[in-house]
Amino acid sequence: ETGVTQSPTHLIKTRGQQVTLRCSSQSGHNTVSWYQQALGQGPQFIFQYYREEENGRGNFPPRFSGLQFPNYSSELNVNALELDDSALYLCASSLAPTGQSYEQYFGPGTRLTVT
Amino acid sequence: AQKITQTQPGMFVQEKEAVTLDCTYDTSDQSYGLFWYKQPSSGEMIFLIYQGSYDEQNATEGRYSLNFQKARKSANLVISASQLGDSAMYFCAMREGGSSYKLIFGSGTRLLVRP
Repeated sequence: ETGVTQSPTHLIKTRGQQVTLRCSSQSGHNTVSWYQQALGQGPQFIFQYYREEENGRGNFPPRFSGLQFPNYSSELNVNALELDDSALYLCASSLAPTGQSYEQYFGPGTRLTVT
Repeated sequence: AQKITQTQPGMFVQEKEAVTLDCTYDTSDQSYGLFWYKQPSSGEMIFLIYQGSYDEQNATEGRYSLNFQKARKSANLVISASQLGDSAMYFCAMREGGSSYKLIFGSGTRLLVRP
């Protein structure tokens, strides 16, 4: 296990609602990235937070927003949910670059279903 | 634009045999990193192996090795002595240069190990 935890495990929401997903990063990691993985596809980068600031964003609309807290845990918020938002949401934590691998440790994911 | 291509949607391998999963990439960066992740049905992405663009030797991690051919822009994963527990989705991913942790994933290959 990586030490990255996510909650909740599963979630069912109705179109138009808002949702908050949570991620607790591995101890000592100050960077959190969020990915969306639709069924049958590879994960797609949503955004990354480094020391509580957004540090890069993928091709996702503004209704996808995030926060990182002083303890480096993170939230992903999605407003005005659409059916296409149904996916597995993965968070990954990592250290600031001190080595070559920049390895990211992934959590188990939150399965979001929008009906 | 950076892109990862995995052309094998599904692969079968007999237990104890070796298998190669293909990955080609496209980037204009000189500095980049290539990763392989395993995703069992539970959903968690498990890091397997990393290859830096300037690494002269192919990466190895236990039964996993990465066949890195820079001129061909390929980074194939070789799993030796397959085990039943190797049955999972496998994703190739690339990290952009610089300090970004953004990973670009391929569409994945589903590997089934037959007893």
